[in-house]
Amino acid sequence: KNQVEQSPQSLIILEGKNCTLQCNYTVSPFSNLRWYKQDTGRGPVSLTIMTFSENTKSNGRYTATLDADTKQSSLHITASQLSDSASYICVALDSGTYKYIFGTGTRLKVLA
Amino acid sequence: DVKVTQSSRYLVKRTGEKVFLECVQDMDHENMFWYRQDPGLGLRLIYFSYDVKMKEKGDIPEGYSVSREKKERFSLILESASTNQTSMYLCASSLSGRKNIQYFGAGTRLSVL
Repeated sequence: KNQVEQSPQSLIILEGKNCTLQCNYTVSPFSNLRWYKQDTGRGPVSLTIMTFSENTKSNGRYTATLDADTKQSSLHITASQLSDSASYICVALDSGTYKYIFGTGTRLKVLA
Repeated sequence: DVKVTQSSRYLVKRTGEKVFLECVQDMDHENMFWYRQDPGLGLRLIYFSYDVKMKEKGDIPEGYSVSREKKERFSLILESASTNQTSMYLCASSLSGRKNIQYFGAGTRLSVL
């Protein structure tokens, strides 16, 4: 069954610290993997998209990595800010059905 | 900037009512999607449209229908609302192609009493 699992479910860090969010997927055939940021009460906003041939992609202080062999991805946030408080959602695209498989998200809270 | 606009941020309806959720995008995107988002669950696809008047069922289409008469507008219809349809509804659009970004609206939080 196609699944995307994220960990941890929630995370609290102090402003200025780094953190890493994890995503494991079992989607096959796999096309690409996306990370979204969703602020409370808003729709998700795309951070990165990586195909199976890409290992890393950055968007400002956000860096995503992908290991297509182990079917794992991570999102690293550097020098966190209060505005990073949000849910981060990992999404894998099944290239057979063209369906997006969403993880349940990691809820990040950055404290001053 | 791409803009996906959902007509209502909050809606309260009664069981049995017919409910329309409207979504408009301004970037001439071919694809449009309706999802629902519930606590502890990932976004679940209700319906997908890849062109005007074209639609495909997603993972949870029961109790819902859709309409796409114009390219920029995708409507979700709850024929007879039930309490288990209380949820956050998110509309998204994208260009065709597998690497294209999905752009989401702000969501409509629907409560069915």
